[in-house]
Amino acid sequence: NAGVMQNPRHLVRRRGQEARLRCSPMKGHSHVYWYRQLPEEGLKFMVYLQKENIIDESGMPKERFSAEFPKEGPSILRIQQVVRGDSAAYFCASSRLGQGRDEQFFGPGTRLTVL
Amino acid sequence: GENVEQHPSTLSVQEGDSAVIKCTYSDSASNYFPWYKQELGKRPQLIIDIRSNVGEKKDQRIAVTLNKTAKHFSLHITETQPEDSAVYFCAASGAGDKLSFGAGTTVTVRA
Repeated sequence: NAGVMQNPRHLVRRRGQEARLRCSPMKGHSHVYWYRQLPEEGLKFMVYLQKENIIDESGMPKERFSAEFPKEGPSILRIQQVVRGDSAAYFCASSRLGQGRDEQFFGPGTRLTVL
Repeated sequence: GENVEQHPSTLSVQEGDSAVIKCTYSDSASNYFPWYKQELGKRPQLIIDIRSNVGEKKDQRIAVTLNKTAKHFSLHITETQPEDSAVYFCAASGAGDKLSFGAGTTVTVRA
């Protein structure tokens, strides 16, 4: 059973470009969470999705950021018009059950660098 | 929202000694408290977790305690080994499911 997959592992963008980060949850997991980690800091919650639905997006900036988890395919975190402050590691996690009843398994992360 | 504070930010211990990391949380509705270990450049990995109906849980050299009244929980690592060197994060979540993380503790085990 493959773990949580994320791609790309490293992404370099110039200011103003778009960044698309992909996350494929573990098989059988329908809950996906996105977290952002700045250098030498903890992980900050961004958004929680369950197939085709956004459950909680309270940690995601209202502008430039969006997330989706379609019926088919990976979850996508999209950052439009990137700025240098968006440089961070973005981790997704998945769980089989929601409501804190199950462990969240993390992917390897996508390290975004904005030049 | 939930606010998790973690101390200390860095911890250096001699191999074989114990390491203790403490966390406090603010939301009394939180009921799930996992601990993650993150090695440099790697993903966070769950090492132990505890739910609010339990006061203590142990797994070999790792133990976690929870005091719901005081809203704090702690990680204890006994007989530390060099491979225990990493950043450790505590987290808390309630019915909303999202995890709120502490800022992390960098543990260095000196040989």
